[in-house]
Amino acid sequence: DADVTQTPRNRITKTGKRIMLECSQTKGHDRMYWYRQDPGLGLQLIYYSFDVKDINKGEISDGYSVSRQAQAKFSLSLESAIPNQTALYFCATSDNRDRAADTQYFGPGTRLTVL
Amino acid sequence: DQQVKQNSPSLSVQEGRISILNCDYTNSMFDYFLWYKKYPAEGPTFLISISSIKDKNEDGRFTVFLNKSAKHLSLHIVPSQPGDSAVYFCAASANNNDMRFGAGTRLTVKP
Repeated sequence: DADVTQTPRNRITKTGKRIMLECSQTKGHDRMYWYRQDPGLGLQLIYYSFDVKDINKGEISDGYSVSRQAQAKFSLSLESAIPNQTALYFCATSDNRDRAADTQYFGPGTRLTVL
Repeated sequence: DQQVKQNSPSLSVQEGRISILNCDYTNSMFDYFLWYKKYPAEGPTFLISISSIKDKNEDGRFTVFLNKSAKHLSLHIVPSQPGDSAVYFCAASANNNDMRFGAGTRLTVKP
């Protein structure tokens, strides 16, 4: 079984719709992250959370919100989706100990298309 | 602003030869560097890392070199194998904070 799972794997939606992407992990890690990948831009950090009560904005948080429901769950919401949010979204986790936190474990990704 | 840059979007090498992937960074506060590998339809997976107190780290066929004065790191794969064909991302972090990724280099290893 995968350590980091994302649902859904693919989603097509329309402009203005509210969308939630979910991430679950069984690694027991405290830290969780949401990234988006666009062609030619690599991975950009949207939000990250170092524990259940901690939420931090990343490089490109505008238009997104997150919820850390439990240590194992971190969801990403697009309140009103727009076409330039069409991208591949990745969830990741890392351990809280020392530089081990730098090694992140990624989910398989969610491909989101906003029409 | 892209603080981590991979200027070669693609690289093609022959099986058995050396693959060299390059990465440049601009933030002098970065103190930890990583390489991730990504296959299609999968998330990136950690490959190898290096701390700024070192200039080389080796793990089997993979070696990462760090040149702090030039703000440059490279990943060497020797010998290259067809299964190494993937997109490779360079990443950097400062003081255990959020990580910045490069745009990736697509490596193709031809049999």
